[in-house]
Amino acid sequence: DAGVIQSPRHEVTEMGQEVTLRCKPISGHNSLFWYRQTMMRGLELLIYFNNNVPIDDSGMPEDRFSAKMPNASFSTLKIQPSEPRDSAVYFCASKATGGGGYTFGSGTRLTVV
Amino acid sequence: SQQGEEDPQALSIQEGENATMNCSYKTSINNLQWYRQNSGRGLVHLILIRSNEREKHSGRLRVTLDTSKKSSSLLITASRAADTASYFCATDEGGSEKLVFGKGTKLTVNP
Repeated sequence: DAGVIQSPRHEVTEMGQEVTLRCKPISGHNSLFWYRQTMMRGLELLIYFNNNVPIDDSGMPEDRFSAKMPNASFSTLKIQPSEPRDSAVYFCASKATGGGGYTFGSGTRLTVV
Repeated sequence: SQQGEEDPQALSIQEGENATMNCSYKTSINNLQWYRQNSGRGLVHLILIRSNEREKHSGRLRVTLDTSKKSSSLLITASRAADTASYFCATDEGGSEKLVFGKGTKLTVNP
């Protein structure tokens, strides 16, 4: 398995633009998580899905952020409109049902100028 | 919210020495996990210890868990330059699926 695949690896965009981050979890993993990592706040959970259903989105900072999981093999995190404070590394991770650790993707480094 | 807090924030040692990192957390847990992150990369799962376990080994890694003190430690024995990375502890909040991560310990192993 190629692991959790995220795209793009790097994204530079202007303030006000829409940004879409993509994630392909490991086949067979039932849970998918979106995290944001910054120096100041560390790793923050934004939202997670179980069997494609959003379970907890309490970490989504505001209405500008939205996430979808239309099927078991694909998820998106969208920021519209983007702001400079959204600059961070965004990670997607997946996990099989039951115990065990997460498998993380390589992340998307987002810079909003 | 930050559940786990690692200590120290940074650690620099010589190759061959042992490295010990500590983690404290606040609420009840079902398990505690340790992850490694190399610079510019995603996190890699190292080891999971359940709340009814006190110690676990995996290769050069040794993890302990003290639920009465809400603390855990990660010991890396005979460290190598390739162990240079940030190490994070993560806990499930009351047994939920989601993990809450600490801010990590940055380990530097000098050759």
